[in-house]
Amino acid sequence: DVVMTQSPLSLSVTLGQPASISCRSSQSLVHSDGNTYLNWFQQRPGQSPRRLIYRVSNRDSGVPDRFSGSGSGTDFTLKISRVEAEDVGVYYCMQGTQWPYTFGQGTKLELK
Amino acid sequence: EVQLLESGGGLEQPGGSLRLSCAASGFTFSNYAMSWVRQAPGKGLEWVSAISYSGATTHYADSVQGRFTVSRDNSKNTLYLQMSNLRAEDTAVYYCARGDTLGHRKGPDYWGQGTLVIVSS
Repeated sequence: DVVMTQSPLSLSVTLGQPASISCRSSQSLVHSDGNTYLNWFQQRPGQSPRRLIYRVSNRDSGVPDRFSGSGSGTDFTLKISRVEAEDVGVYYCMQGTQWPYTFGQGTKLELK
Repeated sequence: EVQLLESGGGLEQPGGSLRLSCAASGFTFSNYAMSWVRQAPGKGLEWVSAISYSGATTHYADSVQGRFTVSRDNSKNTLYLQMSNLRAEDTAVYYCARGDTLGHRKGPDYWGQGTLVIVSS
């Protein structure tokens, strides 16, 4: 199985400051079709997960543009340019290149 | 509006069985792959099973292979997860989630609110 490793596991950020979460995979996530299936999810407290970004850098409809994704191969990053109160929660990366699809352990974002 | 409504969770003894259902609405159910993803209390997300739009192709996590069966009834817009020989480690919130027409490589774009399964004697 592809192991997804996130860092840090916990992040304390001041309102309006940037935040960055790293996600590394144990194998390249480049699929034979040429796409890289690395996706990001947000789970606010008490809510179901919500997809933020798919295929590395494509933001979902309704996702604020302060969220951005980047990376390639085995190293990926989710960045929040200016953290807002509604961003508190747990963030997961997920690979869809190889079954079983796997998630990272999650990164808990809280406000300082 | 896309809606996914899970039901069927509850308390079951080890070795027992449960069937989860997910009623879908607001989209053409038969065009989309569907999945079950679970989350143990206080833990992260684990993909359990996936099924293609037609039901012809299914995938399972090793942890549930041979014990769980995913199916769908496109005439009823409903996804199912038949769980048997339940173990304590199956205790989790089970989410129904929607993929796209080709599968789930981009990750689910819609999730249900989840149904809690507790396996305990």
